[in-house]
Amino acid sequence: GESVGLHLPTLSVQEGDNSIINCAYSNSASDYFIWYKQESGKGPQFIIDIRSNMDKRQGQRVTVLLNKTVKHLSLQIAATQPGDSAVYFCAEFSGTYKYIFGTGTRLKVLA
Amino acid sequence: GAGVSQSPSNKVTEKGKDVELRCDPISGHTALYWYRQSLGQGLEFLIYFQGNSAPDKSGLPSDRFSAERTGGSVSTLTIQRTQQEDSAVYLCASSLNRNTIYFGEGSWLTVV
Repeated sequence: GESVGLHLPTLSVQEGDNSIINCAYSNSASDYFIWYKQESGKGPQFIIDIRSNMDKRQGQRVTVLLNKTVKHLSLQIAATQPGDSAVYFCAEFSGTYKYIFGTGTRLKVLA
Repeated sequence: GAGVSQSPSNKVTEKGKDVELRCDPISGHTALYWYRQSLGQGLEFLIYFQGNSAPDKSGLPSDRFSAERTGGSVSTLTIQRTQQEDSAVYLCASSLNRNTIYFGEGSWLTVV
């Protein structure tokens, strides 16, 4: 089931640097993955997705990498900006209706 | 609508009162989800609708919680006899079959 964590891991990054946020997923049968961004006081916002037949997908300033061998997903943000400060979490989908969400990582961008 | 719409956005209620939270999904989305998020925590699955039926209610915390969906569209989550531990953000999301789920901004519930 979905995991819930009281203390989110935090990644602090200098403005302009690249950020890498990692996620370990649980089900080897999962075939669709999504990264969400959640700013304080708002609902989760879709960033980028990837299907299991791909290893990499690029968006605007963001790249998602999928390593099915070790069940690992990462989100790379290029040239991190203050507006990128938020909680980021991954979601996996295994073909039933249920998405499983990671606990999230808080990204802090330092000026 | 353009996105998932939830109301009220904020609700303060007294312990013991009933509350209703409404979700209007993206037009045409057949799947609808309710999640709960407590402060600083992850997403807790509550219930899933496919059309008007709810094949999985396993996440509802107690029998004080219920949800319905009518016309394959709007859904209402009802919490009876609210308790302080019910204070959280209640998030609704919708999707069109095996695709991305899109979230609303949430209903922030505070029980005092």
